[in-house]
Amino acid sequence: QVQLVQSGSELKKPGASVKVSCKASGYTFTSYAMNWVRQAPGQGLEWMGWINTNTGNPTYAQGFTGRFVFSLDTSVSTAYLQISSLKAEDTAVYYCARENPTDFDYWGQGTLVTVSS
Amino acid sequence: SYELTQPPSVSVSPGQTARITCSGDALPKQYAYWYQQKPGQAPVLVIYKDSERPSGIPERFSGSSSGTTVTLTISGVQAEDEADYYCQSADSSGTYLNWVFGGGTKLTVL
Repeated sequence: QVQLVQSGSELKKPGASVKVSCKASGYTFTSYAMNWVRQAPGQGLEWMGWINTNTGNPTYAQGFTGRFVFSLDTSVSTAYLQISSLKAEDTAVYYCARENPTDFDYWGQGTLVTVSS
Repeated sequence: SYELTQPPSVSVSPGQTARITCSGDALPKQYAYWYQQKPGQAPVLVIYKDSERPSGIPERFSGSSSGTTVTLTISGVQAEDEADYYCQSADSSGTYLNWVFGGGTKLTVL
């Protein structure tokens, strides 16, 4: 069965970096794009962008350029989201979601990133 | 930037029909998708391509489209349907296709 398992919660200080992982299983990792979605506390879903799991080419949504980096390790079927120079407003749950090929049919369980001094 | 507009909240009594709308200028040209999110859980796809239902989703969930508005209908609402619902569609106005989510609608079952 298809599963996306994300890394655990993170508590970081402002200015630090964090790397969230999303390990896929149950399907051919390189056959489906991977998207990232942010959900701030009490807020809605916000699409951050996607990464082509075949080529490794990322596309970032407006507002998610510069400090946000999507990457892959196809040898372990894992996608990564790295956020640098963390700010308090980056506090959110971050989800990975498989794109199949137009809807997001499987989601990770979410990773809470808390940025606080 | 492109926006999808949903009502913040909808309330219905058990057994009644709930209708949640989503408006956007590009909806006549782009499919819409609906996700259900319960507290502390990841979103779950309940409708794709305006009106298709994934396997495992109860038949009481349906979707429709008319002009710039798409509607998620839940017939015979049950207590377990209380959740936040988000529409999603594509913004193809830029160089790359971007996904957009509506602001979400909290469905309360009275």
